[in-house]
Amino acid sequence: GDSVTQMEGPVTLSEEAFLTINCTYTATGYPSLFWYVQYPGEGLQLLLKATKADDKGSNKGFEATYRKETTSFHLEKGSVQVSDSAVYFCALNNRDDKIIFGKGTRLHILP
Amino acid sequence: NAGVMQNPRHLVRRRGQEARLRCSPMKGHSHVYWYRQLPEEGLKFMVYLQKENIIDESGMPKERFSAEFPKEGPSILRIQQVVRGDSAAYFCASLPPAGGTDTQYFGPGTRLTVL
Repeated sequence: GDSVTQMEGPVTLSEEAFLTINCTYTATGYPSLFWYVQYPGEGLQLLLKATKADDKGSNKGFEATYRKETTSFHLEKGSVQVSDSAVYFCALNNRDDKIIFGKGTRLHILP
Repeated sequence: NAGVMQNPRHLVRRRGQEARLRCSPMKGHSHVYWYRQLPEEGLKFMVYLQKENIIDESGMPKERFSAEFPKEGPSILRIQQVVRGDSAAYFCASLPPAGGTDTQYFGPGTRLTVL
């Protein structure tokens, strides 16, 4: 079945460091890919999405490119802030609307 | 335009009691999804409903769990005779009618604690 694998956390970085959180997926067909963010004690917020190969999703300085050849959707940000500390979930939707989530990566940004 | 609303935000129950979780989708959204998040885990799909219909309940335990989305009012996820293993965060997401988008919008969740 469809699945999402993302790097395990926690990831701890200093402010202004470069961030990469790896995400790979297994799916038949052409799923849409998402990154959701969950701040402490809150629900999930959509961070960015991409619906087809080579699409780049971007928001709040975060980017991810849909790479079909490597079945990946890695999340990147050039300069992280303390306020980016949260749990990040990679996810896919393979047209049946049951979103498949990765286990999440907890990110800590130190001032 | 209000987002997805869930209540209560926190719910404490003793073993054997019933838990009722409510979800009001975004205005204009007719599809509701429930997900469960166990501690330190990602979200797992439970059930997908449209108004008055259960479309897919393949992720919901066969016993003690039920869900509905009546013609009027919020969607309800009901857990009977709760056990400690039901302690989790339960999230609801909504989607507009078919063809609009495949982006689900999530509510803030209900954190259920079973004592």
